[in-house]
Amino acid sequence: KQEVTQIPAALSVPEGENLVLNCSFTDSAIYNLQWFRQDPGKGLTSLLLIQSSQREQTSGRLNASLDKSSGRSTLYIAASQPGDSATYLCAVKPSGGYNKLIFGAGTRLAVHP
Amino acid sequence: DAGVIQSPRHEVTEMGQEVTLRCKPISGHNSLFWYRQTMMRGLELLIYFNNNVPIDDSGMPEDRFSAKMPNASFSTLKIQPSEPRDSAVYFCASSLGSGTGELFFGEGSRLTVL
Repeated sequence: KQEVTQIPAALSVPEGENLVLNCSFTDSAIYNLQWFRQDPGKGLTSLLLIQSSQREQTSGRLNASLDKSSGRSTLYIAASQPGDSATYLCAVKPSGGYNKLIFGAGTRLAVHP
Repeated sequence: DAGVIQSPRHEVTEMGQEVTLRCKPISGHNSLFWYRQTMMRGLELLIYFNNNVPIDDSGMPEDRFSAKMPNASFSTLKIQPSEPRDSAVYFCASSLGSGTGELFFGEGSRLTVL
């Protein structure tokens, strides 16, 4: 059974720091991995999607990497800003079948000025 | 594009009442998902539709829950009768293709059952 774990559960940093959020999954047979951001009281916003054949994806100050064999993904946030404060969730889609994403519990990030 | 649209955003009801949540997926998307989010259990997939047909409803908690998708632009999730343990945020999401593409979520419907 696929399980997704995110560490740390919460993180508080000063503005300007470079951050690494971790996601691990137990079954390497995945189709893709998706990182989401969730603001309080809001829905999930897709940040990056990495296909199983890819090693990384970049969007602005965000970079996500995928090491399928070791069951790990990291989300790197460069030069963090207070506006980055949110909960970040990773989700994996197992190989085969449809988009039944398995979500981690998320990392709650607070960036203070 | 307007994104996935859900209504109502907030619903407060009393135990035993019927609740209907509504979703309009992104135009052109043919896969639709209903998720439930709680502090205790995180995000759980309730049901998945492809081309308006329910493909997997194994996540639906019990017979009190039902979902329909009468056409490509509208879906409902109904709870009858509602119970306090149904209190959660219910999300609708859609994607293109056979459900393997990027998933886009609505803002959610926060349900409180008293």
